[in-house]
Amino acid sequence: EVQLVESGEGLVQPGSSMKLSCVASGFTFSNYGMNWIRQAPKKGLEWIALIYYDSSSKYYADSVKGRFTISRDNSKNTLYLEMNSLRSEDTAMYYCARGYFDYWGQGVMVTVSS
Amino acid sequence: DVVLTQTPPTLSATIGQSVSISCRSSQSLLHSNGNTYLNWLLQRPGQPPQLLIYLVSRLESGVPNRFSGSGSGTDFTLKISGVEAEDLGVYYCVQSTHAPWTFGGGTKLELK
Repeated sequence: EVQLVESGEGLVQPGSSMKLSCVASGFTFSNYGMNWIRQAPKKGLEWIALIYYDSSSKYYADSVKGRFTISRDNSKNTLYLEMNSLRSEDTAMYYCARGYFDYWGQGVMVTVSS
Repeated sequence: DVVLTQTPPTLSATIGQSVSISCRSSQSLLHSNGNTYLNWLLQRPGQPPQLLIYLVSRLESGVPNRFSGSGSGTDFTLKISGVEAEDLGVYYCVQSTHAPWTFGGGTKLELK
């Protein structure tokens, strides 16, 4: 059974940093590109980052470019999202999703507030 | 970036009614490899999204066949032939032809 489990949820102050993880199981993680998507409270889905299966390419939404970094460790079946210079508008549920969005994690809530 | 415009933003339906949702793209989603990477997702309240349709019209495993997708180029449609109570939630189209990937704004399906 394919599973994606995010961790790293929390409340942080504006300007601080945070790192999310997504552990994959039930499939060959190293064969798939992976995404991070977020959803602000009562809002729609926003794709924020993609990493190719071999980390050869990474793409970011303009809203996070230069502040967020997506990475992966295929030996640990784990996807990461490092978030720096966090702003109140980064408050959202953060989901990891496989490839073409066929599997999603349950999400973790990130709250940026003073 | 590709902009996906979904209409209507809200849809009210009775059980058994057939409904359609439109997703219009600001540019063609036909990839140079011949595929069109346009998917449809459903997000039920309090749940992560789930994939319904991929590559415009292919039904994801386990998804009821009352869901169907069609379209090409810039215009795409999701049809539900006979709404059931479990279909309520927000529907999103998403494209992964042109990086960065983008989502439509969503269509909320409610009971009338």
